[in-house]
Amino acid sequence: GAVVSQHPSWVICKSGTSVKIECRSLDFQATTMFWYRQFPKQSLMLMATSNEGSKATYEQGVEKDKFLINHASLTLSTLTVTSAHPEDSSFYICSARDPRHRYEQYFGPGTRLTVT
Amino acid sequence: DQQVKQNSPSLSVQEGRISILNCDYTNSMFDYFLWYKKYPAEGPTFLISISSIKDKNEDGRFTVFLNKSAKHLSLHIVPSQPGDSAVYFCAAGGSGGSNYKLTFGKGTLLTVNP
Repeated sequence: GAVVSQHPSWVICKSGTSVKIECRSLDFQATTMFWYRQFPKQSLMLMATSNEGSKATYEQGVEKDKFLINHASLTLSTLTVTSAHPEDSSFYICSARDPRHRYEQYFGPGTRLTVT
Repeated sequence: DQQVKQNSPSLSVQEGRISILNCDYTNSMFDYFLWYKKYPAEGPTFLISISSIKDKNEDGRFTVFLNKSAKHLSLHIVPSQPGDSAVYFCAAGGSGGSNYKLTFGKGTLLTVNP
């Protein structure tokens, strides 16, 4: 149980375009989902916390207007990278908190974004 | 300020032996701790967790020990297998608020040699 999917697994886009990444909890309802970014050989950096039906909470230094998060249902959250630039190239990972447990988050497989 | 620290960036162990991965934390508000395993280009996989009311939790080959007074936890893998080779992240929750955020360490790369 506790499976989280993420789509697409990789995407290449041109500078200035927008990219949407989807995160789905497949076998449980997730009231809270999280979006992380991982740079090479570094830890997971939390970007924002997404709560179903309300606005996302962004971490300090993360641009809200650039990284749009929507959590429209209990099983789906989306991250849209708007007006992408090469410095946005990274590995983006989502997770979903299983409310049946206390803090356990279950992660998607990640999305490799390359902006050219 | 790094609230969760994994001071060993890498660890190499022989197959069949014990792997011990360490983690220290500074925030006394943390009351729940988790270990995740991560392969390159994949999302982390949840391994095991422990609440601060316990000092040990065991699941198969994995055991997590918590020493609250020292603000230290460790993950023991016995016996170690080549498939255990991955980056292991320690995470902590309970720093306040109701958003269930986790704070992650920087990870330890475990290599299990056949």
